[in-house]
This record gives sequence, structure tokens and C-alpha cells, in this order.
Amino acid sequence: DGGITQSPKYLFRKEGQNVTLSCEQNLNHDAMYWYRQDPGQGLRLIYYSQIVNDFQKGDIAEGYSVSREKKESFPLTVTSAQKNPTAFYLCASSIRLTNYGYTFGSGTRLTVV
Amino acid sequence: DAKTTQPTSMDCAEGRAANLPCNHSTISGNEYVYWYRQIHSQGPQYIIHGLKNNETNEMASLIITEDRKSSTLILPHATLRDTAVYYCIVTTENAGGTSYGKLTFGQGTILTVHP
Repeated sequence: DGGITQSPKYLFRKEGQNVTLSCEQNLNHDAMYWYRQDPGQGLRLIYYSQIVNDFQKGDIAEGYSVSREKKESFPLTVTSAQKNPTAFYLCASSIRLTNYGYTFGSGTRLTVV
Repeated sequence: DAKTTQPTSMDCAEGRAANLPCNHSTISGNEYVYWYRQIHSQGPQYIIHGLKNNETNEMASLIITEDRKSSTLILPHATLRDTAVYYCIVTTENAGGTSYGKLTFGQGTILTVHP
């Protein structure tokens, strides 16, 4: 079945370490997105990508980096510069850069200790 | 993007219709109304969207008032699996530039469906 796979589901890291969250889709979607969600809050956009080798900052890009070397993959690196990295991270994709019909992954819960 | 206002929480009996309101009084002419829902600890799920006409799909119906300042998402026969946070989002569909693809999720409405 087509979908988006985020791994791992739970991730623990020590403060000061960089960590990379995986996001893979087999939907042949052009656009991919990364969101962050804090407890009781809505989603906030970190980065998005329209096509391979292109990506744009979202509303809260500081302390994060991404790459889009393949259409299927959009990994997110949480760097040590991110002051409050503990959160629920969601990856999404859409057939093109649009606002409807997003498919979301099941998320990665990152805890920094 | 226009701001939306939703009730914090709502309850509904299983089998009854769930009517979730959303106010968007500052909506502009080229902005669409989108609805997504998020079941606990999962990614959000797209439900429906519309511009000014009422819309219906296999999941729900969307009723937009004539002045477009408010809308209602209707789940016709709510089940326990419909318990989730429902997000109403107003934004342009294809503006190009900064609003394209940037869905802004507020805090939404927590819908609890009771047996």
C-alpha cells in the first residue's frame, strides 16, 4: 500500500546531539513537508519542498535542516542549535504544492534529555 | 491567511450527527476552507475543503454560509472512531508565493463521541 513512513516512532537523544528523522513516501508525490507539534498545540511548519533539490523554510526553521536528494525522501535534522527540540514531528506529502489532500505520516516523538 | 475560531471541545452521541462550527469572518474572496482531523498521536487526516458552495464526500459535508464568514463540518452518523481533534483552516489554494502549501493548524475542536 502507498503511504508515508516515518521512523523511528520514538527517539531519545542527549542534549547537544544532532538527530535525523526519516521520512519516506511511495505515493509519487512531488511536495513534502515537515511539521512540529507540541502538547495541546496545533502543527507548525518547519520546512517544505516542491521538487527534488529544492526546499523552503517554513515558520519555525531555525535549528533545523533538511535535504531532498530523492523524490521519495525528505529527512529532517534537528541540530543542537534548536533550543527546545522535544516534540512530536510529522512529515506530510501532497501530489503537488497545494493545501488539500495532504497525506501525513504517523509521526516521530523526539525526546531530548 | 484568515484567522479561524473554533470551540475548544464538543460532545456527540454515537449515531447522531456531529456539527462542528468554524468562524472565519475575515476570509477573503480567494480563500478556501479546509478541514482536517487528528486522532491522538497520529498524523492529521484530510477531510474536505470548499470555496463557497456546499461540499460532500464519503467522510463529511461542509456547509459554508452565503457570506462565507462561517462554516460547519457535518459528520452525519458519528462513530466512536470519529473522536479526534478537528481543525478548520482557511487559506488560499494556489496563490503561489508564501501561502502556497503552508497549512496553519490552530488548536482545533476536540470532538468526543460517546456510546
